[in-house]
Amino acid sequence: ELKVEQNPLFLSMQEGKNYTIYCNYSTTSDRLYWYRQDPGKSLESLFVLLSNGAVKQEGRLMASLDTKARLSTLHITAAVHDLSATYFCAFEYGNKLVFGAGTILRVKS
Amino acid sequence: DADVTQTPRNRITKTGKRIMLECSQTKGHDRMYWYRQDPGLGLRLIYYSFDVKDINKGEISDGYSVSRQAQAKFSLSLESAIPNQTALYFCATSDRTGLEQYFGPGTRLTVT
Repeated sequence: ELKVEQNPLFLSMQEGKNYTIYCNYSTTSDRLYWYRQDPGKSLESLFVLLSNGAVKQEGRLMASLDTKARLSTLHITAAVHDLSATYFCAFEYGNKLVFGAGTILRVKS
Repeated sequence: DADVTQTPRNRITKTGKRIMLECSQTKGHDRMYWYRQDPGLGLRLIYYSFDVKDINKGEISDGYSVSRQAQAKFSLSLESAIPNQTALYFCATSDRTGLEQYFGPGTRLTVT
């Protein structure tokens, strides 16, 4: 079964703190994606990770990929309110994307 | 102008009605996809098309059909809408590498 487990599914964060979202996927894949979705909006691509050990950073977000463990992480450094959104990971299998349920992130001041 | 457009953006329809959702893209991509999003379930693939003559079922195709009228257009039809098809529907496109998918703004469909 093709499956993606994200955890946590809901994360209430304090401004200025660091947090990590975990994404476990069920089968071998060399492509892992992170998307952001604001309420009522479409999905915005954040990161595309293409190989084992890949690490990408954009601002306060850093994503990494361990293909052997079938695990990707999205690390948030010094959270700010603008990061409040839903974050999805997805892996590629057979030219299709399989999505996780999403992590709802709320940053409180 | 947006690269991937969807019409309508919102639609309320009644059980049993036929409805079509349309997607157009100006990115010149060969591949197009239809997903539905339900709270707590992420996005699930309904149908996908890798070129005009190629149509494939996704994870949840029952109750849906599609038409790829041109490279730039991919329509999703609900032949006889039912309430559990109430959801947010997204169209997406990608080039032949499939490296990245670009999503449209979404269509919110409510079936009463």
